[in-house]
Amino acid sequence: AQSVTQLGSHVSVSEGALVLLRCNYSSSVPPYLFWYVQYPNQGLQLLLKYTTGATLVKGINGFEAEFKKSETSFHLTKPSAHMSDAAEYFCAVNGRGNNRLAFGKGNQVVVIP
Amino acid sequence: DTAVSQTPKYLVTQMGNDKSIKCEQNLGHDTMYWYKQDSKKFLKIMFSYNNKELIINETVPNRFSPKSPDKAHLNLHINSLELGDSAVYFCASRDTRADEQYFGPGTRLTVT
Repeated sequence: AQSVTQLGSHVSVSEGALVLLRCNYSSSVPPYLFWYVQYPNQGLQLLLKYTTGATLVKGINGFEAEFKKSETSFHLTKPSAHMSDAAEYFCAVNGRGNNRLAFGKGNQVVVIP
Repeated sequence: DTAVSQTPKYLVTQMGNDKSIKCEQNLGHDTMYWYKQDSKKFLKIMFSYNNKELIINETVPNRFSPKSPDKAHLNLHINSLELGDSAVYFCASRDTRADEQYFGPGTRLTVT
């Protein structure tokens, strides 16, 4: 079985500051890891994913995440927050060959002008 | 061109009623899902179909019945609606090769 832990449901960040959202996973098989973003009243949009290969993955809107197997982590970062980054962010894990995504509880990001 | 669409976007109904939500994807994917997002934004998988065959059926009350008339459509019928069914329901389809899921815009169900 796979699971994901995201700590801190609400994250406040100043405009222009670093965005850091933490994700730790548990998986009995090599994981595929994902970050999704949900803007208000919208569906989820894929930000980036890790499957195999390079452990630092770049996504849309300037976000990136690093897979660290030794720490079972897949933290999401963006060097400089923009007002448009205000949204809900979900980390998810899918075991290879597994058909289902397990989501974390999400982080509500608030960007302070 | 909308990849995954759902209707209706909003659904307000009374306890005890029966309602359906429809989902369509034009991505050519074989696998589709229903998720429920509760008031705390927690997302939980409910069902998955692969090419019209049910492959995932989580612990969901049997008042919920999915139906897939073809691989591009996955509908969700809910009988005898209860207050606790109020949530946002998302449909998704999966690109098996890239292992990516594409989500619809959601249906906000409110049971009064």
